[in-house]
Amino acid sequence: DADVTQTPRNRITKTGKRIMLECSQTKGHDRMYWYRQDPGLGLRLIYYSFDVKDINKGEISDGYSVSRQAQAKFSLSLESAIPNQTALYFCATTAGGNTEAFFGQGTRLTVV
Amino acid sequence: EDQVTQSPEALRLQEGESSSLNCSYTVSGLRGLFWYRQDPGKGPEFLFTLYSAGEEKEKERLKATLTKKESFLHITAPKPEDSATYLCAAANPSGNTPLVFGKGTRLSVIA
Repeated sequence: DADVTQTPRNRITKTGKRIMLECSQTKGHDRMYWYRQDPGLGLRLIYYSFDVKDINKGEISDGYSVSRQAQAKFSLSLESAIPNQTALYFCATTAGGNTEAFFGQGTRLTVV
Repeated sequence: EDQVTQSPEALRLQEGESSSLNCSYTVSGLRGLFWYRQDPGKGPEFLFTLYSAGEEKEKERLKATLTKKESFLHITAPKPEDSATYLCAAANPSGNTPLVFGKGTRLSVIA
């Protein structure tokens, strides 16, 4: 089984709909992250959480929200999806501030 | 502001043609430099961590090196299956901020 699991893997939704992307990890790490990736723009950080009670905005948090339900679970919500949120979304986890990140396989989201 | 810059953005090599990818960083007091491989549509896969200048790590045809201002990923005699995007990321001294990622180098190895 994968260390970091994202669901769904692919999703097509309509403009204005609310959608939730889910992430769970089996590494036992405290730190979790959500990124989006667009061609030519690299990985951009949306939100991150260093423990269950900690939530921090990243560089592109507008239009998104997150929930840290447990140490192993971190979900990302788009309250009202818009077409420019079409992207590949990745969840990741790290043990600490200077350790490698483990990524999920990604969720390809299309907003039409 | 901590920054990581990768060059070139894209690189096309013939099979067997060795080359290097560059990752320069402005993180003062670097606490770790990470290399990842990413295949299209998939999550980045961890390759190496380097913690101090002069350190080197190797895996098959890949060797990562680190200086005080940059890191190189050397690819020796690449094969088509080495085609991927290679990402680097830096950890800052505080440990209280996420890794800073570069935008990646897209490598194509032609048979």
